[in-house]
Amino acid sequence: AAGVIQSPRHLIKEKRETATLKCYPIPRHDTVYWYQQGPGQDPQFLISFYEKMQSDKGSIPDRFSAQQFSDYHSELNMSSLELGDSALYFCASSLGLAGAVVGTDTQYFGPGTRLTVL
Amino acid sequence: TQLLEQSPQFLSIQEGENLTVYCNSSSVFSSLQWYRQEPGEGPVLLVTVVTGGEVKKLKRLTFQFGDARKDSSLHITAAQPGDTGLYLCAGSSGAGSYQLTFGKGTKLSVIP
Repeated sequence: AAGVIQSPRHLIKEKRETATLKCYPIPRHDTVYWYQQGPGQDPQFLISFYEKMQSDKGSIPDRFSAQQFSDYHSELNMSSLELGDSALYFCASSLGLAGAVVGTDTQYFGPGTRLTVL
Repeated sequence: TQLLEQSPQFLSIQEGENLTVYCNSSSVFSSLQWYRQEPGEGPVLLVTVVTGGEVKKLKRLTFQFGDARKDSSLHITAAQPGDTGLYLCAGSSGAGSYQLTFGKGTKLSVIP
């Protein structure tokens, strides 16, 4: 079965540079979520989109922005990168609006993008 | 902010032993998911529980959702070295919030 695809898998950037991470959800999934996981930490929710509209916002810095496109893929844009932004960034997708139908909010995670800021 | 307390944080057992991991909260969740994560990889879904009191079995793994939908447990019977990994519980409130709240994880090590 097709899974969530993320690219690139690894990314190395210098401080103050920008980075763009891409996420392709499971086919027919219309909701995407972005999470950040620091070393030894649990994933922290950043932002989510449903039907191309932002549906929820977590601890996403103002330097970051994201959007969902008409084909449901999503991009996380990160500017003015800082050393503390080094982390694993996961995208997850689900079918349907979370909570609207019981059981449809199960989130399936991609393999992640490892961002290293030097 | 909803919090999920997961315990134990670390668990080292011998092959063949049984174990239980707990996930507790003072908040109600519309659904709760258990994931297993290998280092440097994305969490892989094991199960979703949505109904209070629900019990689901996945081979030697048994998952239970508390009657009040505030807690959950993962029980592994006759653990094997292949069960070694990080187990995460994550809850969704479903009440207009679509983010998952994760527990801190349980790092399980099964010694042959």
